[in-house]
Amino acid sequence: AQSVAQPEDQVNVAEGNPLTVKCTYSVSGNPYLFWYVQYPNRGLQFLLKYITGDNLVKGSYGFEAEFNKSQTSFHLKKPSALVSDSALYFCAVSPISNFGNEKLTFGTGTRLTIIP
Amino acid sequence: NAGVMQNPRHLVRRRGQEARLRCSPMKGHSHVYWYRQLPEEGLKFMVYLQKENIIDESGMPKERFSAEFPKEGPSILRIQQVVRGDSAAYFCASSIGTASNEKLFFGSGTQLSVL
Repeated sequence: AQSVAQPEDQVNVAEGNPLTVKCTYSVSGNPYLFWYVQYPNRGLQFLLKYITGDNLVKGSYGFEAEFNKSQTSFHLKKPSALVSDSALYFCAVSPISNFGNEKLTFGTGTRLTIIP
Repeated sequence: NAGVMQNPRHLVRRRGQEARLRCSPMKGHSHVYWYRQLPEEGLKFMVYLQKENIIDESGMPKERFSAEFPKEGPSILRIQQVVRGDSAAYFCASSIGTASNEKLFFGSGTQLSVL
């Protein structure tokens, strides 16, 4: 069975500084990896995904994530944080299968707060 | 093009009552997924449906819970004889199909509170 760990419940970053939200995963075989963001009273919004190819994936709102197979990690990064980036971030994994991306397994989420 | 629509946004039920949660996928999407988010936890997969078919219900409790996605109309998640432990946010997501480049589009969720 697959699993996702987001070791930090809360991350605080000053506006303008680089940010990192950590994610490690466990899955049989090769993974599909995703990041989603959740704003208050809203559903999850897709940020980016890794399927295959380049280990550095670029997504929405200037976010990027680096797939590291040896460390089984998929950390989310942004070079310069904005106050509007404050939200709840979820990492998710799915094993590569014939059925695409159903049965995503989500981490418990990391609350990112950008301090003006 | 409206996104994934869920209603109601908030649902309050007393123990023993039935809860019916509705989800209309994005236009053109025929795959629906239901997830449950308990307080302080991540989203847990419950069930995956295509039109008129349940593809995978491995995450759904064996009793009291059922889901359908009829040919016409929204997908329904039904919880019979609710208990306090059913209190959670229930999210629906849809996708156009199953392929490696697909992504899920989520609704805003239904917050179920059981008194």
